[in-house]
Order: sequence, then structure tokens, then C-alpha cells
Amino acid sequence: RKEVEQDPGPFNVPEGATVAFNCTYSNSASQSFFWYRQDCRKEPKLLMSVYSSGNEDGRFTAQLNRASQYISLLIRDSKLSDSATYLCVASSDSNYQLIWGAGTKLIIKP
Amino acid sequence: DTEVTQTPKHLVMGMTNKKSLKCEQHMGHRAMYWYKQKAKKPPELMFVYSYEKLSINESVPSRFSPECPNSSLLNLHLHALQPEDSALYLCASSQEQGAREQFFGPGTRLTVL
Repeated sequence: RKEVEQDPGPFNVPEGATVAFNCTYSNSASQSFFWYRQDCRKEPKLLMSVYSSGNEDGRFTAQLNRASQYISLLIRDSKLSDSATYLCVASSDSNYQLIWGAGTKLIIKP
Repeated sequence: DTEVTQTPKHLVMGMTNKKSLKCEQHMGHRAMYWYKQKAKKPPELMFVYSYEKLSINESVPSRFSPECPNSSLLNLHLHALQPEDSALYLCASSQEQGAREQFFGPGTRLTVL
């Protein structure tokens, strides 16, 4: 079983729609969680850290569900520029390293 | 300044060549990382430096040799690479080593012929 699992997609979504991804993690001791976005042939860029209470940044909302060991990312009013691969990241059992999911590809269509 | 820079952007090398990748950050971060990323895969950790000392080597072959000359610079020396080493090499930094936000440079796209 992979430590961090994501649906690879692609998610094809019309512009303006709301889209949500989930990511599951296997290590119950993980304490830090992040979402990164990566455009084709570019570096990953930090989108959001995910806190226990959930957090929102503009059109983006991240939630953590410790009981079910998943984190989610919600994108509202999606834009063409949101098209990217979204990488879910969780800390390792020692909380000394980051474990990366394989990413979910999102395509926003006009 | 929240930027991590990497040079060169692209590198093509033969299997007998020696080359180096360079990374620089001026955010005062004390942890720096080398990752390798193949197409459609997540970044794969290679090395971690913490306070200029090698902290983690993820069983990387010796043809990759990291170096941290000072707290802002990180190099990756390449020698006798194989075609399967062709990938995007990413440098990242974070305030301290640990499960913290990491900030990436644009990467060096390496092709080994």
C-alpha cells in the first residue's frame, strides 16, 4: 500500500465549476500535510499547508480528516489557470521527511 | 526574496562526462534538498543537508555526489551517469529539516546520452 494515495485523474472540469480531490495517507502519526501544484515541466509550488482546523485561501479550501486519514482540496469557481497536477504531501512517521503522493491531474476546460 | 535558483536549466551530457548542478537560496533556510523527478511521477528525495551537513542519503548511487559549500549553496556533482538518470533534478529548501514547507527551484532538466 502506498503511503500517500491520490486518484491520478485526469479530472476534466468546466470553467467555473467546483472540484474536489481527496488524498489518503497510511501513517496515523503524520502531523504535517501540504498541497502543492505542479505545472507541466515546472517545479512543484506550495499551494497550501493543511491544518487540523482546515484552512481557506481565496477559492481554495483544504481539510484534514484524521479519523479517516485523508486530506481534501476544494477549488471553487475554477479557472483555466488552475489546470495543473496537484500533489498531496504528508510527513513521515518520524515527521522528519515528506512523503509525496503521485499527483492528481486537473484539466479545466473553457 | 523567496526564490531558489538553479543552474543550468538544461544539461545534456555523455556517460563519460563530469558536470555539476548548482542551487542557491537566500532565504536563510538551514535545510536544502536534492530531488529527482521522472515524467508523471512525484519528486523522489535523493539527499538532505541540514546546517551544511549531509543528513540523509537515500541510497543514491555514488555517481551522484552532493556538496554544500555554505548555507546558501548546494551542488550536485555528476559523473559516469547512465541514460536512465535522465530526469528533472529539483533543489528545494526549508527553514529547518523536518516536515515543513519546502520551496523548490525551477529544476535542471538533464539528458544523458
